[in-house]
Amino acid sequence: DSGVTQTPKHLITATGQRVTLRCSPRSGDLSVYWYQQSLDQGLQFLIQYYNGEERAKGNILERFSAQQFPDLHSELNLSSLELGDSALYFCASSARDPRDTQYFGPGTRLTVL
Amino acid sequence: AQSVTQLGSHVSVSEGALVLLRCNYSSSVPPYLFWYVQYPNQGLQLLLKYTSAATLVKGINGFEAEFKKSETSFHLTKPSAHMSDAAEYFCAVSPDYGQNFVFGPGTRLSVLP
Repeated sequence: DSGVTQTPKHLITATGQRVTLRCSPRSGDLSVYWYQQSLDQGLQFLIQYYNGEERAKGNILERFSAQQFPDLHSELNLSSLELGDSALYFCASSARDPRDTQYFGPGTRLTVL
Repeated sequence: AQSVTQLGSHVSVSEGALVLLRCNYSSSVPPYLFWYVQYPNQGLQLLLKYTSAATLVKGINGFEAEFKKSETSFHLTKPSAHMSDAAEYFCAVSPDYGQNFVFGPGTRLSVLP
């Protein structure tokens, strides 16, 4: 158990809809990272938050957004969903910097029909 | 741009045989390097990481990796494969302080009885 929790575990929705994925980091970790894992793109870094502030952006679509709340949990919002958004979405947390060990949650499997 | 290549998307070894998973990276500065393992239907778990201290890094479950700057490599080895090692293995690089992970495409390890 990494100490990082993600909900829900599975999500099935239709094209055009909006969903929210939730992540609670390990106790004491200030940084949260979101990753997308798909068969064709592999593991892609989406976005990082540090202590409530956006720190870095990767290959995140404009239809996607995230935030980190004062209690340090984070949410990833995906809107106007397309079939190609079907993937595993992982959250990870670390103490501060990306070079600190990142602990991964179990992931949310999103299926867009 | 930083990149990570993993030679061989699928590697098969016999139980008890040597495991060698290859990782090469490109980075303009001394990087931090990581190996993560992903078991079926689970998140990623850190095996080991290189942080510019010792070039030979020992990790969990008997795995180790050697950083070779001249070859820009960070290959993962284990002397004797066990059935429980069957999983997907990802090499990742964090090129510089504050810079986020670039993951390799992954290598699926199968262990044959």
